[in-house]
Amino acid sequence: RKEVEQDPGPFNVPEGATVAFNCTYSNSASQSFFWYRQDCRKEPKLLMSVYSSGNEDGRFTAQLNRASQYISLLIRDSKLSDSATYLCVVKASWGKLQFGAGTQVVVTP
Amino acid sequence: NAGVTQTPKFQVLKTGQSMTLQCAQDMNHEYMSWYRQDPGMGLRLIHYSVGAGITDQGEVPNGYNVSRSTTEDFPLRLLSAAPSQTSVYFCASSSGPGNEAFFGQGTRLTVV
Repeated sequence: RKEVEQDPGPFNVPEGATVAFNCTYSNSASQSFFWYRQDCRKEPKLLMSVYSSGNEDGRFTAQLNRASQYISLLIRDSKLSDSATYLCVVKASWGKLQFGAGTQVVVTP
Repeated sequence: NAGVTQTPKFQVLKTGQSMTLQCAQDMNHEYMSWYRQDPGMGLRLIHYSVGAGITDQGEVPNGYNVSRSTTEDFPLRLLSAAPSQTSVYFCASSSGPGNEAFFGQGTRLTVV
């Protein structure tokens, strides 16, 4: 079983719509959680950290559910520029970052 | 703002050849790491370093060597390239092992 699992998608989303997807992690001792964004053939970049109480950054909302061991990302009012692969990243108890394989989002006009 | 600079961007090797992927950062980060990214898999840690002179293995270290003689540079050496090492390689640096990672632009390596 993978340490961090994501639905690969693609999630096809009309412009202006809302899309949400989850990521599950296997290690209950995981300490920190992040969403990274990776554009096609580019390097990953930090989108946002995920806090226990949930947090927003503009049109992006991240949630953490420790009991069920998953994090989620919701994108409101989707833009064409939101098309990318979203990587779920978990900081393991041993300090290193563990990456999911990514969820592809395609926003269509 | 240079950040993390990786070279080369593309490389084709023949089986058995060796090469070095270069990585340099100008953010004075102590922690640097190398990952490989394969289709359908998350980034996997190859080697990492917590400071000059200190390196350690990640989850997929076989076939790769690293060294860290300065804070800025963290080269990755492929000792004898194999087709299984065909991948996209990313170098990253951060202020700590679980903190925000800044990535280089990647090296697309094909071993034939």
